Amino acid sequence: GAVVSQHPSWVICKSGTSVKIECRSLDFQATTMFWYRQFPKQSLMLMATSNEGSKATYEQGVEKDKFLINHASLTLSTLTVTSAHPEDSSFYICSAPNGLAGGPTYNEQFFGPGTRLTVL
Amino acid sequence: SQELEQSPQSLIVQEGKNLTINCTSSKTLYGLYWYKQKYGEGLIFLMMLQKGGEEKSHEKITAKLDEKKQQSSLHITASQPSHAGIYLCGADKGGKLIFGQGTELSVKP
Repeated sequence: GAVVSQHPSWVICKSGTSVKIECRSLDFQATTMFWYRQFPKQSLMLMATSNEGSKATYEQGVEKDKFLINHASLTLSTLTVTSAHPEDSSFYICSAPNGLAGGPTYNEQFFGPGTRLTVL
Repeated sequence: SQELEQSPQSLIVQEGKNLTINCTSSKTLYGLYWYKQKYGEGLIFLMMLQKGGEEKSHEKITAKLDEKKQQSSLHITASQPSHAGIYLCGADKGGKLIFGQGTELSVKP
């Protein structure tokens, strides 16, 4: 099946710094990627949809200026947590559909292994 | 409110026992997905259901989607420690995948 990678797998940073997380589709192109956040013992919450060549669309309640998303190519999306604070500590997971996202037919979502962010 | 409701939220079973996890939506589902996750790791795709009444099986795991396409169940037969983890149902919402709260399964040897 298709492979999605994330880098780094874990990161520890000081409060106030910015952290960039990469999401790559390794063997397929993805015009759309999705970013999720997962707190301990909770489910995945969709944060935003990353669109290649255009602005990301954010879910309600997600600050776009805090979570900067750039979809620079058909295989790479980045999430930058700006001025990170301890409450931003979480598990961030990206996914990419292998096919036309939003189409009428099923397109399986492939998930990255996640990035654990700890803000001190 | 959560669009997908999973139950139970957690489950502890003895190895060898059968179990069922439910996922209910207030709206018609046009694609229902089941994933498994080990905490702190990525998601493993289990099955996808689209048609009302559809049922799929893989090894000891069977998933069903009801005729109204508003409820799905995941059934594990003769559970093993390797089945332990978090089970998530997800639904296609305009090309995006949203998830239920998850069910944490523990299997006691």
